[in-house]
Amino acid sequence: QKEVEQDPGPLSVPEGAIVSLNCTYSNSAFQYFMWYRQYSRKGPELLMYTYSSGNKEDGRFTAQVDKSSKYISLFIRDSQPSDSATYLCAMTRTGTASKLTFGTGTRLQVTL
Amino acid sequence: EAGVTQSPTHLIKTRGQQATLRCSPISGHTSVYWYQQALGLGLQFLLWYDEGEERNRGNFPPRFSGRQFPNYSSELNVNALELEDSALYLCASSVYTEAFFGQGTRLTVV
Repeated sequence: QKEVEQDPGPLSVPEGAIVSLNCTYSNSAFQYFMWYRQYSRKGPELLMYTYSSGNKEDGRFTAQVDKSSKYISLFIRDSQPSDSATYLCAMTRTGTASKLTFGTGTRLQVTL
Repeated sequence: EAGVTQSPTHLIKTRGQQATLRCSPISGHTSVYWYQQALGLGLQFLLWYDEGEERNRGNFPPRFSGRQFPNYSSELNVNALELEDSALYLCASSVYTEAFFGQGTRLTVV
């Protein structure tokens, strides 16, 4: 079993929809959680960063962490075609970025 | 502010050759991480360098090695290339937990 599980998709939604992306994990020691967006043939871009449980909002993006369920989510409101990309969750147990553990990514397609 | 830069963008090598990939971190960042992103496998941690020292390595054979220079730039060397080494190699730099990635070097082994 992988430490971090993420549905690969693809997930196809119409423009303007609310998108929910999720990851589950098995290692209860993880404390720092990140979401990255990766466009085709590009490097991952850090979108959201949260520590421990709770919510964090940044514009159209909201990240949620539920450590009791070992479940994290990224919500995208008013989705745009430019949001079409692969979304990777990542997590680590320490206060440094050493040895981030990534999900395999969910491919999102926002259609007009 | 310049982000993480990697070179070359693309690299084609034949099996058995050596490949050298380069990374310049964001100014002020002392930690550099190397990851391999092979098709369908996600990002796999390769190496972590900080202050010129190798701090940690992932589950990769010794033919994957590297170093960090006094200016914090880094080099990844892959010896005795195998076909399955074909992947996107990503470098990231960080201060604390937030890691910022470069655009990657796409290595193709033929």
